[in-house]
Amino acid sequence: GESVGLHLPTLSVQEGDNSIINCAYSNSASDYFIWYKQESGKGPQFIIDIRSNMDKRQGQRVTVLLNKTVKHLSLQIAATQPGDSAVYFCAENIRSGGGADGLTFGKGTHLIIQP
Amino acid sequence: GAGVSQTPSNKVTEKGKYVELRCDPISGHTALYWYRQSLGQGPEFLIYFQGTGAADDSGLPNDRFFAVRPEGSVSTLKIQRTERGDSAVYLCASSPEGTGVSGELFFGEGSRLTVL
Repeated sequence: GESVGLHLPTLSVQEGDNSIINCAYSNSASDYFIWYKQESGKGPQFIIDIRSNMDKRQGQRVTVLLNKTVKHLSLQIAATQPGDSAVYFCAENIRSGGGADGLTFGKGTHLIIQP
Repeated sequence: GAGVSQTPSNKVTEKGKYVELRCDPISGHTALYWYRQSLGQGPEFLIYFQGTGAADDSGLPNDRFFAVRPEGSVSTLKIQRTERGDSAVYLCASSPEGTGVSGELFFGEGSRLTVL
């Protein structure tokens, strides 16, 4: 099976609320994780990344949390907007030492923003 | 444009035919990746180029799939004797340096392949 996956296939939130998208991984050797956003008909777009020596990283309206103990990753989006509607994928690097070679993607969570 | 360009955007072919998909990466990006994305799934790694050479082709499903990047820029993914199971969106991505730097890959919009 896949080493990276998501708990919920679809998440619906009200515009302006905060969203939390979860991801579980099983490869304890993974040391680099990335979140991508994919809008319909487009390629994935990088959002934020985190290395295993960190447990939190913040970007613009987004925060990624990493819990290595339970092998869990989450993406928090603050004050969601209609433009946040997309499928969100977590991905891990399958090579030790970081880098982008051969990223393994999860199945994705479809985030739906309700007006 | 300045992004990754993929052609064709859509390709419909018959089982058993040969298909070529082209990727034009962002100028100056040395690393180039091919992924395959089936409906409702995440992208699946196929092959990674650093310059002209295939640094990692472990994701290619079988010997019907082959990719080249002869001049270190444009890449072509070639699929022989296509099967219905090859139907998917084939994504190309590039990055400035690849290994050990960043997970930020710049993806194209993909080539949707349908095998009838």
